[in-house]
Amino acid sequence: AQSVTQPDIHITVSEGASLELRCNYSYGATPYLFWYVQSPGQGLQLLLKYFSGDTLVQGIKGFEAEFKRSQSSFNLRKPSVHWSDAAEYFCAVADTGFQKLVFGTGTRLLVSP
Amino acid sequence: GAVVSQHPSRVICKSGTSVKIECRSLDFQATTMFWYRQFPKQSLMLMATSNEGSKATYEQGVEKDKFLINHASLTLSTLTVTSAHPEDSSFYICSARGQGANYGYTFGSGTRLTVV
Repeated sequence: AQSVTQPDIHITVSEGASLELRCNYSYGATPYLFWYVQSPGQGLQLLLKYFSGDTLVQGIKGFEAEFKRSQSSFNLRKPSVHWSDAAEYFCAVADTGFQKLVFGTGTRLLVSP
Repeated sequence: GAVVSQHPSRVICKSGTSVKIECRSLDFQATTMFWYRQFPKQSLMLMATSNEGSKATYEQGVEKDKFLINHASLTLSTLTVTSAHPEDSSFYICSARGQGANYGYTFGSGTRLTVV
């Protein structure tokens, strides 16, 4: 069964600094990978997704992620963080049948002035 | 495109009563809908998957008689929490998936249920 690991529970970044959130997945075949963001008391908003093709994926709000099969990773990056980026970030993987989405435990991003 | 509306956003009910939460896909046909439960500061726990016109498939450990799911149309799924108890208080989120890979999974804004 597929699984997702987000090793960082909390990350604090200074406003304007770069950001990288880590995500490792476990899945035998080619995974479908997603990054979502959740603000307190809200649902999840899709930042970006990877299905196939170019391993560097561009998303909304200036985020990007790189799929590295050899490392089973799909890390999320942003070159310059804004205070409004403070939220919970979830990495998720779906199987090729597009049945369940399996989520990581999430990383809470705090942005310091 | 791909908007999912979830209603209500907050509900308070008395212990022993039932509560219904609606999840609607506004601009696409949702062949599959998912219901999640989220505890404070935790990840999403999948409760069940429902396909239009079929019985829902519940995850292990989820009481199907307590959490009734109906997916009667391609745009509407409902979750009814029956005989609610304080331990059912939680944040419930629905997700809908349309036909084809491009739709991905779209989430509703969630429902905060408080049972008193």
